[in-house]
Amino acid sequence: NAGVTQTPKFRILKIGQSMTLQCAQDMNHNYMYWYRQDPGMGLKLIYYSVGAGITDKGEVPNGYNVSRSTTEDFPLRLELAAPSQTSVYFCASSYSPGTSGGADTQYFGPGTRLTVL
Amino acid sequence: AQSVTQPDIHITVSEGASLELRCNYSYGATPYLFWYVQSPGQGLQLLLKYFSGDTLVQGIKGFEAEFKRSQSSFNLRKPSVHWSDAAEYFCAVGTDSWGKFQFGAGTQVVVTP
Repeated sequence: NAGVTQTPKFRILKIGQSMTLQCAQDMNHNYMYWYRQDPGMGLKLIYYSVGAGITDKGEVPNGYNVSRSTTEDFPLRLELAAPSQTSVYFCASSYSPGTSGGADTQYFGPGTRLTVL
Repeated sequence: AQSVTQPDIHITVSEGASLELRCNYSYGATPYLFWYVQSPGQGLQLLLKYFSGDTLVQGIKGFEAEFKRSQSSFNLRKPSVHWSDAAEYFCAVGTDSWGKFQFGAGTQVVVTP
């Protein structure tokens, strides 16, 4: 199993450009998540999905969009890049809530480092 | 509101010495607790997790953590650190049935010879 894969690894964008960060998992996980990581801030949840066709906003969704047409893929779209979106982006997946209905282990991809100039 | 606090931003420890990283959480229900490690330029790797049962949990790479409900803490420990333990460590709380996490800000661990 490849686990969670992300492409690209690095990208530089100009202000106002658009791009899609790709995320795929081969573990048949229902739940997928997008985070951004900024120095000293930990990870902040951007969007999440509990299955194909079902997505919802996390803590910091502004400036981003997602879609989930298949179980495997969960792309993150930046429509009009801004310097504030310079960050490292992580995709994660988990099988389901824990046996008692709570959270379960999330498996992370290697990240995409994005710079907006 | 739920929150996770890692009071130590940066810890320096000598190789072979013991290590303890602190994590405090604020959460109304029984928490689902996790510790992850992130090596430079890498994604996050799960070290250990606590859902219920024995409050002392063992993880990979010789790490353990103890859940103390009375102190709302889930501190991570290792008896003897290795140079390869230099990394950033994140505590996380699972906050709802949708599997969402609240992460702490992280603790950077530096290991000196």
